[in-house]
Amino acid sequence: GENVEQHPSTLSVQEGDSAVIKCTYSDSASNYFPWYKQELGKGPQLIIDIRSNVGEKKDQRIAVTLNKTAKHFSLHITETQPEDSAVYFCAASIDSARQLTFGSGTQLTVLP
Amino acid sequence: EAEVAQSPRYKITEKSQAVAFWCDPISGHATLYWYRQILGQGPELLVQFQDESVVDDSQLPKDRFSAERLKGVDSTLKIQPAELGDSAMYLCASSLKQSQETQYFGPGTRLLVL
Repeated sequence: GENVEQHPSTLSVQEGDSAVIKCTYSDSASNYFPWYKQELGKGPQLIIDIRSNVGEKKDQRIAVTLNKTAKHFSLHITETQPEDSAVYFCAASIDSARQLTFGSGTQLTVLP
Repeated sequence: EAEVAQSPRYKITEKSQAVAFWCDPISGHATLYWYRQILGQGPELLVQFQDESVVDDSQLPKDRFSAERLKGVDSTLKIQPAELGDSAMYLCASSLKQSQETQYFGPGTRLLVL
C-alpha cells in the first residue's frame, strides 16, 4: 500500500518568514495530493491540493509543488503569521483505492 | 457554510464498555469516511461508505468495531468492547463522490478509555 513520509515533525519560524514542509510518497500510481491544517481540538481542514497533471499550485500565501519523478511534494507558506501555527498534514491517494494516506504531521509554530 | 457534524465531541468510558459515535455528512455528499487519529499521528481510514454500501473496511477491526449508514445519510461507528488502545480521535469526513474529490472533515470525537 501507499506510504507517505513527512518532514520535519516540528518547525519554528519567525513571523514574516517562509515555511516549507516536505512529503514523499511510495506509490507512483498516487495522483491526488491534499494538504490539511489541523488546529488543536479540531478536525483537519483542507488548505490546498494538487493533482498529478499539475506541477505547482498557488493560493495567496500558500503554494504546493509536485515532483512526480522524485515522488515528493512540498507545501510553501510565505509571510507566515501567528495564526498559521497548527499541525499540517500531507496526504496522497490512488484513484482506484479512493482513500487518503496521511503523513505523520508537522507542528508549525510561528513566533511573533 | 455546510459542515460535517459529529457527536459527542468527547467520550470517556471504561474498558469493556460499548461506545457509539454519530456523524452527519454535508448534505448531498454520497461518500462518507471514518478515520482514527492517534495522538501525534495522521488519520488512518477505518471504513468508507458510498451511499449505504461499504466500499472499504479492510482496516476496520471487525471483531470489535462496526459501522453502518442505513439510509445513506448519517452514520454510526460502534466499538464493543472498548479497549485501552482505542483511545484516539475518531474523525468523520464526507465527499461529494468517490475518487479525488475533496474530503471535508468534522470536528471529531475524542475517546478516552480508562
